Amino acid sequence: QVQLVESGGGVVQPGRSLRLSCAASGFNFNRFGIHWVRQAPGKGLEWVARISSDGTSQHYADSVKGRFTISRDDSKNTVALQMNSLRADDTAFYYCARVVLHLSGNYFDYWGPGTLVTVSS
Amino acid sequence: DIQLTQSPSFLSASVGDRVAITCRASQDISSYLAWYQQKPGKAPKVLIYAASTLQSGVPSRFSGSGSGTEFTLTIASLQPEDFASYYCQQLHSYPLTFGGGTKVEIK
Repeated sequence: QVQLVESGGGVVQPGRSLRLSCAASGFNFNRFGIHWVRQAPGKGLEWVARISSDGTSQHYADSVKGRFTISRDDSKNTVALQMNSLRADDTAFYYCARVVLHLSGNYFDYWGPGTLVTVSS
Repeated sequence: DIQLTQSPSFLSASVGDRVAITCRASQDISSYLAWYQQKPGKAPKVLIYAASTLQSGVPSRFSGSGSGTEFTLTIASLQPEDFASYYCQQLHSYPLTFGGGTKVEIK
């Protein structure tokens, strides 16, 4: 069955870095783009970043552009989110999600359970 | 960037009620809209994609309508397991965006 599992969350000081990983299984990983979405505690969903199925295209939210980098390793079926210069407002649950490209409209069909990142001194 | 405005942000309803949640886009997104349900402590789950297509396995009491800039998620008869938060998402162009969410609570 399709599974996505995030790891790498934790407590980090402002200005420091953290690397999240999303491990995928149960499907042909190299056929799907992967996205990161975050949710501050008690708040709504915020899209963060995306990498295409072949790894050649990435997009970022304005709030993380220049600080976060998304990458993928198809040999390990993983997607990483390198987060630098972390700020207090980056504190959130981070989810990875698989995107389905449908003729009439794309959507995120599988999500991981999330990993919590807390930025605090 | 495309802004999505969801309303209401909070909804109190009873089991069996028909409820509707609206999502307005700041520009034409055709039918590139999805709806998600999220329960506390869980990841979101897709209900509707392409504005009106029911995801496999989702009960038929959920339906989506609209195109362009105005969209609606309707729950025909609210069930106890439907009390949750709901989000719309546009997948028309980057950066992707979500609506602010609607929390559906028991009256």
